[in-house]
Amino acid sequence: NAGVTQTPKFQVLKTGQSMTLQCAQDMNHNSMYWYRQDPGMGLRLIYYSASEGTTDKGEVPNGYNVSRLNKREFSLRLESAAPSQTSVYFCASSGWTGGLETQYFGPGTRLLVL
Amino acid sequence: AQSVTQLGSHVSVSEGALVLLRCNYSSSVPPYLFWYVQYPNQGLQLLLKYTSAATLVKGINGFEAEFKKSETSFHLTKPSAHMSDAAEYFCAVSSVGGSQGNLIFGKGTKLSVKP
Repeated sequence: NAGVTQTPKFQVLKTGQSMTLQCAQDMNHNSMYWYRQDPGMGLRLIYYSASEGTTDKGEVPNGYNVSRLNKREFSLRLESAAPSQTSVYFCASSGWTGGLETQYFGPGTRLLVL
Repeated sequence: AQSVTQLGSHVSVSEGALVLLRCNYSSSVPPYLFWYVQYPNQGLQLLLKYTSAATLVKGINGFEAEFKKSETSFHLTKPSAHMSDAAEYFCAVSSVGGSQGNLIFGKGTKLSVKP
């Protein structure tokens, strides 16, 4: 049981390049999330998917697109990367434990946009 | 709208001393509250969560937090700090119904432990 996995771990892009961050979970969770983490800002929600086939915007969706490919996988795409998107990106999934829906996080993807 | 404020972006304690990390929340409905820990270069790990079953919540690694409605607080404590507790800690509040679709995080408090 690997939990939440993310690829790649590190990536360097030039401004204007595109890339897709991959996330997969093996806990049979319905809900999945993408966050970005910036120093002094905590985690901010980019997009989330409450179930397969649905996606919703979070706090900071501009410049990103997502795809809920199936129940296991939720990808985040940067169509034209900008330096402001330099960040650490975390994927999470959530399931019910102890009477409360609880989020579980992946190890993160560190992205540098030059 | 819900929000979380963590007082102190950096806290430093000596090994064996009390750890107190402060979290205040704002919510118009009964909140569901969480503490997460992030070790360097890792993802977030759940420490504990408040579900209204009990105001004093015990988590992993000897941490606990007390929900105080009158103070809108959910401070994290540990009686005796260990070097391995050095990490960043995040308080978070969820939206109505306990769903974490809109989990709101504080900005984090980095804990340093001195030998």
